[in-house]
Amino acid sequence: QKEVEQNSGPLSVPEGAIASLNCTYSDRGSQSFFWYRQYSGKSPELIMSIYSNGDKEDGRFTAQLNKASQYVSLLIRDSQPSDSATYLCAAVYNQGGKLIFGQGTELSVKP
Amino acid sequence: EPEVTQTPSHQVTQMGQEVILRCVPISNHLYFYWYRQILGQKVEFLVSFYNNEISEKSEIFDDQFSVERPDGSNFTLKIRSTKLEDSAMYFCASSDYGTLNTEAFFGQGTRLTVV
Repeated sequence: QKEVEQNSGPLSVPEGAIASLNCTYSDRGSQSFFWYRQYSGKSPELIMSIYSNGDKEDGRFTAQLNKASQYVSLLIRDSQPSDSATYLCAAVYNQGGKLIFGQGTELSVKP
Repeated sequence: EPEVTQTPSHQVTQMGQEVILRCVPISNHLYFYWYRQILGQKVEFLVSFYNNEISEKSEIFDDQFSVERPDGSNFTLKIRSTKLEDSAMYFCASSDYGTLNTEAFFGQGTRLTVV
């Protein structure tokens, strides 16, 4: 059973701080990883994708992948109250394949 | 910016009735997906569709479910005889070369309520 695990939170950080979100996956065959942001009652919105080991930066967001440890993370720098949402980690195992989602981590950024 | 569109945004139906959820994927995308999310739970894969056929389906996608691409733009999910437990948000997604090294984009969802 391929699984993606996340701490459900809530994770609370003050405005301007760095938020660190973590995700582990069970199958070493996982190829691609994605972070989606989901506001309550809304659809998942793609934040970052990462396909190879190391860091990938996009604005205030940095995704990190460590395939040896089967670990993916998302760092949000200078967190804003508008970043308050649930962050979903997802893995893909094959071309055209399904996204397997974790249960999401709820992030709350306090002004 | 291209986007995936879904209709209706909210559907209320009586148990046992058939519902059709509609999606218009991004125009040059080739892979289409349906996911669902029961309130408070994780997003679950239902089915993927490529080259006019189902490429993968989950255990949830039983004989009560079907998908169709009736024309060059629409992608539909039909539930033949709805159950109370089918109440969920249903999301359509599409990607251009599949999800291995490209992203899937989600529509805004259809909230299905079975009463």
